[in-house]
Amino acid sequence: DAKTTQPTSMDCAEGRAANLPCNHSTISGNEYVYWYRQIHSQGPQYIIHGLKNNETNEMASLIITEDRKSSTLILPHATLRDTAVYYCIVRGPNAGGTSYGKLTFGQGTILTVHP
Amino acid sequence: DTAVSQTPKYLVTQMGNDKSIKCEQNLGHDTMYWYKQDSKKFLKIMFSYNNKELIINETVPNRFSPKSPDKAHLNLHINSLELGDSAVYFCASSQTPDRAYNEQFFGPGTRLTVL
Repeated sequence: DAKTTQPTSMDCAEGRAANLPCNHSTISGNEYVYWYRQIHSQGPQYIIHGLKNNETNEMASLIITEDRKSSTLILPHATLRDTAVYYCIVRGPNAGGTSYGKLTFGQGTILTVHP
Repeated sequence: DTAVSQTPKYLVTQMGNDKSIKCEQNLGHDTMYWYKQDSKKFLKIMFSYNNKELIINETVPNRFSPKSPDKAHLNLHINSLELGDSAVYFCASSQTPDRAYNEQFFGPGTRLTVL
C-alpha cells in the first residue's frame, strides 16, 4: 500500500470549513484513498473513500488531484464534535494472503475545532 | 442498536494472568478484525477472520489466540499477560475483506491494563 503523509495537527474555527491534506505520491492506479477519524476514546469511524473522482457524502467531501498524488478531506462546516484524529489511508485491490482486508493507519492529523 | 460491541470496556489484571475480550457484530458482516492501539496511539491490525477462517495474522505473539465461533463473533484470548500488552484493543467488521472496497465498522474498544 502507498505511504501517506499528513500534517501532525491543524486548527479550525467552528462553522468554518476544515481542509485536511494528504500526500500519497506513490499511489498506484488501482488504489483507493480512504479517510477515517477517531474521536477521543472511541473507535475509528469511516468517513469517505474515492478512487479518481471527487466524492461527497453527508459527512464530508473528498477532493483527489488529477494525478492522484494528493487529496483533501473537506468538512464544510466544522463543529466542536469534529475534533478528532483524521487518518488518510491508501489501499489497493486484494493482493491475496496476509494483506487481505488490512487497514494500515499512520499517525494522522489531529484536528482541533475552536469555538 | 449497537453495531459492533466489545466486552469488557475496561480490563485491569496482573502480569501472568490469562484474559479474554469478546466482540460481537450485528451487521451481518462476513469479516471481523482485531486491532491494537498502543500508548503512542498507533493503531495496528492483529488478526482478521472471514467466515470464521483466519485470513490475516500479523506478527503477534503466540500468547494471543483469536477464536471465531460464528461469523458474528470474534473473541481474543491472551495468555500469560505482560506489561507490554497494555493497550486499547479494537474489534471491527466489514461486509467483505475485498480491498477494493472495505468500510470497516469499529467497536468502542477495550482498555487493557496489565499491572
